[in-house]
Amino acid sequence: EVQLVETGGGLVQPGNSLKLSCATSGFTFSTAWMNWIRQTPGKRLEWLAQIEDKSNNYFISYLESVKGRFTISRDDSKSSVYLQMNNLKEEDTAIYYCTTGNWFDYWGQGVMVTVSS
Amino acid sequence: DIVMTQSPSSLAVSAGETVTINCKSSQSLLSSGNQKNYLAWYQQKPGQSPKLLIYLASTRESGVPDRFIGSGSGTDFTLTISSVQAEDLADYYCQQHYSYPLTFGSGTKLEIK
Repeated sequence: EVQLVETGGGLVQPGNSLKLSCATSGFTFSTAWMNWIRQTPGKRLEWLAQIEDKSNNYFISYLESVKGRFTISRDDSKSSVYLQMNNLKEEDTAIYYCTTGNWFDYWGQGVMVTVSS
Repeated sequence: DIVMTQSPSSLAVSAGETVTINCKSSQSLLSSGNQKNYLAWYQQKPGQSPKLLIYLASTRESGVPDRFIGSGSGTDFTLTISSVQAEDLADYYCQQHYSYPLTFGSGTKLEIK
């Protein structure tokens, strides 16, 4: 059974940082392209970042508006993907999901991030 | 960026009816190399994560009932749900996987009368 479990969310003040983790199992993580997507309180879905697999040199793509603030990374030995989020803003408040592929065939349950003073 | 426009934003139907949800992209999603359209559809039930229904515009994900049909090409796409059931109560989203940034439509809320 495929599982993706996000952790690391919570309440953080504007300007602070947070690192999300996504632990996976049930599929060949090392060849999977992994993504972070968020869903705002208004239910809008927004793709944030993607990291490809080793055969593609772990190529990374970002949504322009988070480039320089968010960093995606992966550890194939732990079947995990991460999202380091710096200089958080109130508009980053959302549920954050990790997903697989270019059409997102597997999703985690999501983790809530609230940015508020 | 490719903008995805979905319509309607919400609709209410009775069980057994057929539903059509539209999705229009600001640029063609048709690859000239393989003649495939890079469009996906997702279903999000209340309190759950989104679930992939359709990819490449018309390919049903494994386990998805055949009453869910994706169609269209270029910039205009449709998700048809035939003989809607109560369990189909959900939000539906389209997403282009043709170019970066990957983008979603704003969603369609399906209610069952």
